[in-house]
Amino acid sequence: DAMVIQNPRYQVTQFGKPVTLSCSQTLNHNVMYWYQQKSSQAPKLLFHYYDKDFNNEADTPDNFQSRRPNTSFCFLDIRSPGLGDAAMYLCATSRDRERAHHNEQFFGPGTRLTVL
Amino acid sequence: AQSVTQLGSHVSVSEGALVLLRCNYSSSVPPYLFWYVQYPNQGLQLLLKYTSAATLVKGINGFEAEFKKSETSFHLTKPSAHMSDAAEYFCAVTTPPAYNTDKLIFGTGTRLQVFP
Repeated sequence: DAMVIQNPRYQVTQFGKPVTLSCSQTLNHNVMYWYQQKSSQAPKLLFHYYDKDFNNEADTPDNFQSRRPNTSFCFLDIRSPGLGDAAMYLCATSRDRERAHHNEQFFGPGTRLTVL
Repeated sequence: AQSVTQLGSHVSVSEGALVLLRCNYSSSVPPYLFWYVQYPNQGLQLLLKYTSAATLVKGINGFEAEFKKSETSFHLTKPSAHMSDAAEYFCAVTTPPAYNTDKLIFGTGTRLQVFP
């Protein structure tokens, strides 16, 4: 089945220790998104790629960076995690907007990050 | 600018009772609207979407929603709640493809509890 895969599902890191979360998709979608979701809150968009075109949200901290080496993979790098970065991180994809697929987004299961 | 407001952060119903989750939107252009469901420690799953066709939209798991332009609403309903419906529900809005927006704007979510 075509899907969005996130690894690992649970990640524990230490304060200040860099961590990388990964996302892969078999949907061949052009657009990939990274969201941060804290407990009982809506997902907050960090950035997204339209193909290789990177789009950063204005309020995304510099501590968060992303790479998309090819269509299938996208990575979220947190350079120096703080306690406030503990959250669920969701990856999502959507098709090329020119095909009029209405920005319907397909989500992965998420990675829950714990910062000690 | 677009936004959605979900009235009621928590809704409790008895099994077999009607489920009504409220969503009101604000949009300067014709909106596309979505309802997503999120089970604990999982990603978001699309329940249904409105993309300017029929105003009454049927989705998965027996849910449906009606787009009412005059009321700027897109409330989610299910005639008879099941225990498995207990989850967090998010309403989201975006613009039609012609506006070249890749983003969804999420509401703050409504947690549905179902009692036996």
